[in-house]
Amino acid sequence: QVQLVQSGPEVKKPGTSVKVSCKASTFTFTSSAVQWLRQARGQRPEWIGWMVVGSGSTNYAQKFQDRVTMTRDMSTSTAYMELTSLRSEDTAVYYCATASPGSYLSHSWGQGTLVTVSS
Amino acid sequence: EIVMTQSPATLSVSPGERATLSCRASQSISTFLAWVQHKPGQAPRLLIQAASTRAPGISARFSGSGSGTEFTLTISSLQSEDFAVYYCQQYINWPPTFGQGTKLEIK
Repeated sequence: QVQLVQSGPEVKKPGTSVKVSCKASTFTFTSSAVQWLRQARGQRPEWIGWMVVGSGSTNYAQKFQDRVTMTRDMSTSTAYMELTSLRSEDTAVYYCATASPGSYLSHSWGQGTLVTVSS
Repeated sequence: EIVMTQSPATLSVSPGERATLSCRASQSISTFLAWVQHKPGQAPRLLIQAASTRAPGISARFSGSGSGTEFTLTISSLQSEDFAVYYCQQYINWPPTFGQGTKLEIK
């Protein structure tokens, strides 16, 4: 069973950045992809983008194109998602999930990281 | 982008009974449809992929059907651990999109 463990909750001020981590275990990290999604309270899940771990190539949703960066550290099997220029509307639970390269299907999800943006 | 619409928003069912959840896509997605279960405070869990294929370890009480634009998730003989929010997701088109969810609650 794949396990993804995400970093803890964050409270950020508007205009700042947040970087969420996602550590994989019992998982062929280097041959897979990692997707990032978020869900604001009462809203449906929203796809942010994904990264093919082996190559580092990324594909971001248009809405986040100029504010998000996804990276990885293969030595620790950890993926990262950084979101800049935070605003109150970015308050949500952020999830990482495994995927197969070339597919947008999320197989296993992390437990989520609550990011609160408030002045 | 493809809009996914689920119905009903809330479904009240007694334990032991059957639940039927619906999902509609705004355009054909063939069978590139997944069902995801989400309980409060837990990681979402993939139940069904390719419209009707159970993910590894998922009980046979969960079954999916449909193709094109109309899909159904059926949960037979509901157990206490099945009460949760269920989302459908299309993954054929960029960006992948989700329905607004159906909350399955105990009657």
